[in-house]
Amino acid sequence: AQKITQTQPGMFVQEKEAVTLDCTYDTSDQSYGLFWYKQPSSGEMIFLIYQGSYDEQNATEGRYSLNFQKARKSANLVISASQLGDSAMYFCAMREGRSSYKLIFGSGTRLLVRP
Amino acid sequence: DAGVTQSPTHLIKTRGQQVTLRCSPISGHKSVSWYQQVLGQGPQFIFQYYEKEERGRGNFPDRFSARQFPNYSSELNVNALLLGDSALYLCASSLNMVGGGTEAFFGQGTRLTVV
Repeated sequence: AQKITQTQPGMFVQEKEAVTLDCTYDTSDQSYGLFWYKQPSSGEMIFLIYQGSYDEQNATEGRYSLNFQKARKSANLVISASQLGDSAMYFCAMREGRSSYKLIFGSGTRLLVRP
Repeated sequence: DAGVTQSPTHLIKTRGQQVTLRCSPISGHKSVSWYQQVLGQGPQFIFQYYEKEERGRGNFPDRFSARQFPNYSSELNVNALLLGDSALYLCASSLNMVGGGTEAFFGQGTRLTVV
């Protein structure tokens, strides 16, 4: 069965420093997509970054980059130059298969950025 | 452009009652998915609708039902509410049934409390 594991329930980072949020996944599909979402206290899930299983390069979006290690089945999110507004819950998710847009989410990591 | 809108934002219901949650997708998006997010957990997939047909269903009891209208808006209905149905209900909008990349956009959710 497909599964996403986030082993860090909470993380602290100093403002302006970089932080890595861990995500490992399990799937038998060859084609899949990996996503990271940010969820502030307001509840909305904000898309951050996407990595396709066949993408050869690691995805980057501004201060966000995804460290994709296919053999290890890991898709860690790296946030560079942390800002106070980065404090939120972060969820790793995987798209299941080709026939639907079902996303499987991990349990999330709460990030707190210290001034 | 308006994003995904959900109504109401908050709702309090009594055990045994029925509730209807509404979602309007981004203009032009034909797929709507529903997720339940219990406090402290990641979202769990409930339904996906595309072109007014159910295309996917998660592991939820028959008390949960949904439909999609010709304008692609959607309603999620939950009958015979239980305390355990208390959660944030998220709606996600995507252009196609099978998406890739950045195509899943979430609303701010409806926070349902069952007392």
